[in-house]
Amino acid sequence: EDKVVQSPLSLVVHEGDTVTLNCSYEVTNFRSLLWYKQEKKAPTFLFMLTSSGIEKKSGRLSSILDKKELFSILNITATQTGDSAIYLCAVEQIIIQGAQKLVFGQGTRLTINP
Amino acid sequence: DAGITQSPRHKVTETGTPVTLRCHQTENHRYMYWYRQDPGHGLRLIHYSYGVKDTDKGEVSDGYSVSRSKTEDFLLTLESATSSQTSVYFCAISPPTFSGSGYNEQFFGPGTRLTVL
Repeated sequence: EDKVVQSPLSLVVHEGDTVTLNCSYEVTNFRSLLWYKQEKKAPTFLFMLTSSGIEKKSGRLSSILDKKELFSILNITATQTGDSAIYLCAVEQIIIQGAQKLVFGQGTRLTINP
Repeated sequence: DAGITQSPRHKVTETGTPVTLRCHQTENHRYMYWYRQDPGHGLRLIHYSYGVKDTDKGEVSDGYSVSRSKTEDFLLTLESATSSQTSVYFCAISPPTFSGSGYNEQFFGPGTRLTVL
């Protein structure tokens, strides 16, 4: 059975701290791994990772993929209250004819206290 | 933002009634998806479509049906709503995997909050 597991499920830190969110997966027909941020609405795209060892960065956020050990991490440095959200990890799985399906983890609820 | 709308945005209904949720896109993307989101489960795929009249089941399809009669609209129907179908429903779209750069993320609609009493 395909599965994506995120840890921790919930995390509370103080503003300015650095956090690391984890995502491990066992998914057939792997194509890529994606991170989304979800506030009180639809998930918004953060990163797509396709190759091992290549770090993707966007401001204070960065992510890396290890396709041998089947995991990814999302780092957020110098956290701000606006980083409070649910962070979703999803693995893209090829279905048919170029279509992909996303298998999601449970999400990590991150709370940043001032 | 990708041109995706969902209607209704909120709905309260009673057990046993049929419910239809609509997803509308203006991007002319071929692939459309319906997910539900429940606490502790992330998002789970209900059904997806890879073209007009071409649909298939996802991991939690029991109790749901879909239809796609034109590119821009993807309808999700709960034949006879149950309390276990109380959830937030998201529609998503994506272009074909091998178009453009070859990798394309899914874009999500604003969601529909459905409560079944």
